[in-house]
Parts: sequence; C-alpha cells; structure tokens
Amino acid sequence: KQEVTQIPAALSVPEGENLVLNCSFTDSAIYNLQWFRQDPGKGLTSLLLIQSSQREQTSGRLNASLDKSSGRSTLYIAASQPGDSATYLCAVETGGGNKLTFGTGTQLKVEL
Amino acid sequence: EAGVAQSPRYKIIEKRQSVAFWCNPISGHATLYWYQQILGQGPKLLIQFQNNGVVDDSQLPKDRFSAERLKGVDSTLKIQPAKLEDSAVYLCASSLWTGNTEAFFGQGTRLTVV
Repeated sequence: KQEVTQIPAALSVPEGENLVLNCSFTDSAIYNLQWFRQDPGKGLTSLLLIQSSQREQTSGRLNASLDKSSGRSTLYIAASQPGDSATYLCAVETGGGNKLTFGTGTQLKVEL
Repeated sequence: EAGVAQSPRYKIIEKRQSVAFWCNPISGHATLYWYQQILGQGPKLLIQFQNNGVVDDSQLPKDRFSAERLKGVDSTLKIQPAKLEDSAVYLCASSLWTGNTEAFFGQGTRLTVV
C-alpha cells in the first residue's frame, strides 16, 4: 500500500527566502507525482505534474524534482512571497487509473 | 475553460440526517473522482468514475455513502445517514481520461455534522 509523507508539517519563513518542501513515498512504482496548493477553505490547485520518466518540472518560481528510485520529491520555491502562504500537498499515482495518494501536506507561512 | 463546479459550498446537518453533494466536471473530462478530506489530513479517494461506470469504490463506506454519474457528466454523492465522523471537505475532481493525466479539483463542499 502506497504511503506518502511530507516534511515538515509546517514551515514559517521570512519573505524573500528560498525554501524546499519534501515529499517521500514508499512504493517507487509510480506513474506520476503532482504538487498541489490548497488555500484555507478552498479546493486544490495543481502546481506541477512530473511524469515518472521525468526528473523535474519548472513553473515560474517553482521547481519540482523527482527521484523515483529513492521515493522522493522536492518542491523548491524561490524568493518566497506572502501570497505563497498555503498548504502544499504532494500526491502520487500508483497502479494506473489516475488514482492519487496524498500526503498530509506542509502548511507554509511567509511573513513580511 | 470553466473549472470543476461543486455545490453547495457549505452544509451543516444533524447526525442521522441525509445530505447530497453535486459536481459538474470540466467539459470533455471522462474521469471523475470524489475525495474526502478530513481536517489536517490529505484527501482520500472515495470513488472514481470513467464516463458513467465505476472504476474504483473500494474506500467508499457503502452502508451509508452512494454516488452516481448519470450520462457520464454530472455526479452526486449522498450520505445517508450521516455520522459525526463524516465531517470533512468533499472534493470533486476530473481528468481527461483514466491514465497519466492531470487531475483538476473543485472548491469542495465543507460538511459539518453536529
């Protein structure tokens, strides 16, 4: 059974700092990995999707890497802003069918 | 392109009452999912549809939860009767098809059972 862990559970940083969020998964036989953002009381917004054959994806200030063999992914946020404050979730698709297993998220707060 | 639409946004009911949630996926998306997100946890898949057929409902508590997707478009999720532990956000998502494709989520319905 796939299990996804995210560290840290919560993170508070000053504005402008670069930061890294970590995600690990127990079953390396994944199809893809997705990073989502969730604002309080809102749904999930997809940030980046990394296919199993890819090593990284970039979108603006976000860069996600994937090391499938070691069961790890990182989300790098450059020059953080208060608007980046949210919960970040990673999810993996295992076994096909596009069913996602989620981690519990990292709650990020970027302070002025 | 319009996103995944869900209603209602919020619902408060007493235990043992019934409740229904509605989801309209992105146009053309064949696959639809219902997830349950309990406070402080990641979403957990309840049921997955491919068009109007069920692909996976292994984690759906079938004694009280039911879902349907008529005509392969809109979907409803029902809880009858509700329990206190059903308090959660219910998220609907859709993707083009069942495969290596990106999932898009709606805003969710926050259910509180008192």
